[in-house]
Amino acid sequence: AQKVTQAQTEISVVEKEDVTLDCVYETRDTTYYLFWYKQPPSGELVFLIRRNSFDEQNEISGRYSWNFQKSTSSFNFTITASQVVDSAVYFCALSVSTGFQKLVFGTGTRLLVSP
Amino acid sequence: DTGVSQNPRHKITKRGQNVTFRCDPISEHNRLYWYRQTLGQGPEFLTYFQNEAQLEKSRLLSDRFSAERPKGSFSTLEIQRTEQGDSAMYLCASSSRGQSISYNEQFFGPGTRLTVL
Repeated sequence: AQKVTQAQTEISVVEKEDVTLDCVYETRDTTYYLFWYKQPPSGELVFLIRRNSFDEQNEISGRYSWNFQKSTSSFNFTITASQVVDSAVYFCALSVSTGFQKLVFGTGTRLLVSP
Repeated sequence: DTGVSQNPRHKITKRGQNVTFRCDPISEHNRLYWYRQTLGQGPEFLTYFQNEAQLEKSRLLSDRFSAERPKGSFSTLEIQRTEQGDSAMYLCASSSRGQSISYNEQFFGPGTRLTVL
């Protein structure tokens, strides 16, 4: 069975601060995929990134960066110089490559960025 | 617009009533998923279709829930005798089945928010 844990329920920062959202996952499969989604107040899930288990290279996209470490089963997400528009709930998710590839989500971290 | 669409976007109903939601996947996507998201939680898998066949159902899907995907196109999710605990956001996603073992990205619709009074 797969499991995703996001221990941080809510984080509050002031604009321009850096913030890291933690994600720890569990799976016995050797091939799997990790994701981050953003859910703004409108409710729609916005895809941010997908990483596969064979690629541990960190990735940077603008103010966003992701740190994938198989040794600690973690896939953390950092927002640099946060902005008010970053306020949302962020979900980490896991899928294995076999079968029908359902997504297993964590409980989410609510990020509040104040001006 | 060629994304996943869901209707209605909001539904308010009284306990005991039946409700039906519709999902229109991206054209030619043969995989379709339903998820449920309750307040303060992440989405949870409910059921999966490959074409018109319902191949997987979560134990969350009680016998009051039924889903169909006639002709492998749109899908409907019906809840009979709704209960207050059914209040949630119901999300639909679709993907295509690739030729190799690789991840086929799921594209999510905007969801249907159900409130049971």
